[in-house]
Amino acid sequence: AQKVTQAQTEISVVEKEDVTLDCVYETRDTTYYLFWYKQPPSGELVFLIRRNSFDEQNEISGRYSWNFQKSTSSFNFTITASQVVDSAVYFCALRRYNQGGKLIFGQGTELSVKP
Amino acid sequence: SAVISQKPSRDICQRGTSLTIQCQVDSQVTMMFWYRQQPGQSLTLIATANQGSEATYESGFVIDKFPISRPNLTFSTLTVSNMSPEDSSIYLCSVGVKQGANTEAFFGQGTRLTVV
Repeated sequence: AQKVTQAQTEISVVEKEDVTLDCVYETRDTTYYLFWYKQPPSGELVFLIRRNSFDEQNEISGRYSWNFQKSTSSFNFTITASQVVDSAVYFCALRRYNQGGKLIFGQGTELSVKP
Repeated sequence: SAVISQKPSRDICQRGTSLTIQCQVDSQVTMMFWYRQQPGQSLTLIATANQGSEATYESGFVIDKFPISRPNLTFSTLTVSNMSPEDSSIYLCSVGVKQGANTEAFFGQGTRLTVV
């Protein structure tokens, strides 16, 4: 079975703090894709990153970084020097290799960054 | 990429009525999906909208409650039938777009439905 778990329901930090959002996934597939999406209060889903299962290289994009570890089935997301505009619900998602755009989402983590 | 327009963006409906949500894409796409996001919850796939054939529903979702049309490669509708307050959710249209060797998922802005 495919499953994504985001154990942190809510996180609250003060601006400029670093924060890590955890994501653990389950799959028996050898090829799969992992995603992070941001959902601000307006409701739309904003794509942040896709990672292929055969590429364990970590990625940094500005204040965002992602740590993919197949050994622990984790794909964690870190925001450095958080800002109020980072306040949103963040979803981790899994897609099987042959499932096109069909995603399995985690429960989401609501991040609140206070000034 | 793909630009997805959903209508309406929000609605308040009486219980027992039905609402049809439209999803229009700015380019032809093979894959279209409908998701539901109940208040404070994650996104759950309702069905895959298939062009020219019946939609493929996920476990827990049935055609009588959520009929879906897909008349062409750029348009789909989802109807929420005989609504109850439990149907209050955000409904999102999503498309899969091939980009090189990968397929990326893009989402509409969602339809925020409140049933009273």
